[in-house]
Amino acid sequence: EVQLVESGGGLVQPGGSLRLSCAAAGFIFSSYEMNWVRQAPGKGLEWISYITSSGTTMYYADTVRGRFTISRDNAKNSLYLQMNSLRVEDTGFYYCARGLGYGNIWGQGTLVTVSS
Amino acid sequence: DIQMTQSPSSLSASVGDRVTITCRAGQNTFLNWYQQKPGKAPELLIYGTSSLHSGVPSRFSGSASGTNFTLTISSLQPEDFATYYCQQTYSTPFTFGQGTKVEIK
Repeated sequence: EVQLVESGGGLVQPGGSLRLSCAAAGFIFSSYEMNWVRQAPGKGLEWISYITSSGTTMYYADTVRGRFTISRDNAKNSLYLQMNSLRVEDTGFYYCARGLGYGNIWGQGTLVTVSS
Repeated sequence: DIQMTQSPSSLSASVGDRVTITCRAGQNTFLNWYQQKPGKAPELLIYGTSSLHSGVPSRFSGSASGTNFTLTISSLQPEDFATYYCQQTYSTPFTFGQGTKVEIK
């Protein structure tokens, strides 16, 4: 079955760090570009990061640039998001998503709560 | 950055109604449309402005006129009550519209 499964979310204090993971299964992970998208509780979707299939090029939203780092390990079929200097406004569900067009699929999301 | 302005923010409609949702882009772009149901991840409906994603019913369609993009549901079904988002995929940041909640009248 083709699927993405996120993990690593949880409660963290402002200024803290978390590393999210996205495990891919059922398809050739190394062939696909990947994205991270987040959604604050009761709010809309916000694209935050993109990485090419080879992992050589990454893009970030202004709201996370310099604090978050996207990476991937194609040998482990995994995507990562290292989140540092977390802020209260980073709270929300974080989704990994495959591609931006045909074949796009999303994981079920992992909840990150930044609170003291 | 390409700004996306989606309208309306919500609408009420009945089963069988024709529903239209619009996104206006700040410049020419490519557009995706997603459906999100409560507690679930979004699902792709339309990509590249007008291409129907695999498994999506043909009552969904996408079109464009200049920088105005439209998602049309030709005959609303009970399972279509959800929130819909557009996303431009031409250049980063790949911005989303604000969302349109389709509710039962």
